[in-house]
Amino acid sequence: QSALTQPASVSGSPGQSITISCTGTSSDVGGHNYVSWYQHHPGKAPKLMLYYVSNRPSGVSDRFSGSKSGNTASLTISGLQAEDEADYYCNSYTGRSTPWVFGPGTKVTVL
Amino acid sequence: EVQLVESGGGLVQPGRSLRLSCAASGFTFGDYDMHWVRQAPGKGLEWVSGLSWNSGSVGYADSVKGRFTISRDNAKNSLYLQMNSLRPEDTALYYCAKDLHSSKSSDFGFDSWGQGTLVTVSS
Repeated sequence: QSALTQPASVSGSPGQSITISCTGTSSDVGGHNYVSWYQHHPGKAPKLMLYYVSNRPSGVSDRFSGSKSGNTASLTISGLQAEDEADYYCNSYTGRSTPWVFGPGTKVTVL
Repeated sequence: EVQLVESGGGLVQPGRSLRLSCAASGFTFGDYDMHWVRQAPGKGLEWVSGLSWNSGSVGYADSVKGRFTISRDNAKNSLYLQMNSLRPEDTALYYCAKDLHSSKSSDFGFDSWGQGTLVTVSS
């Protein structure tokens, strides 16, 4: 069982915006900005979409943005496209005996 | 281009051992932190273990602590995971992942991944 909480699924129509939340505690998500987000298409390697809450690696579309408030981080996908349909995972540094933890994942469906 | 190629997976009986390897190329391996992440069938990603660029800092998930050992050989551009006392719940696709964090960067994030190697623990 993950220490982080994400909705199991989020859906939206093409062109719409959706937001995925990642809720932790003051020890992990709320305690620092080492929160990252990953896109995972089945059968492929996961892809880093955001790091340090809101930084995009080179090559990642600016349709992907991140934010954080208190113990909850969020990933927003704007202008939803069919290719965005995938599983999305948040990851946070915890400062505990297990230093890094992934959220349980959110399945994004493009209607 | 960064390439990470995992190997060493296979079918193993409970209680036995297995050693995974990750061959890295396309970047200065010795400068970057590295990790192992796994995904059990039908489940999400689970961080397993991580090792700093100079092997000075190491971490393990509670689920593998005391059974798995991560190591690296910077001269061979390789990352390893020695897995002992394997259990059926260790069955998963194991990914090698490169971190943004390095001798020159304080950012953290798993920015490159291999395709994974499958470990099946079953009698």
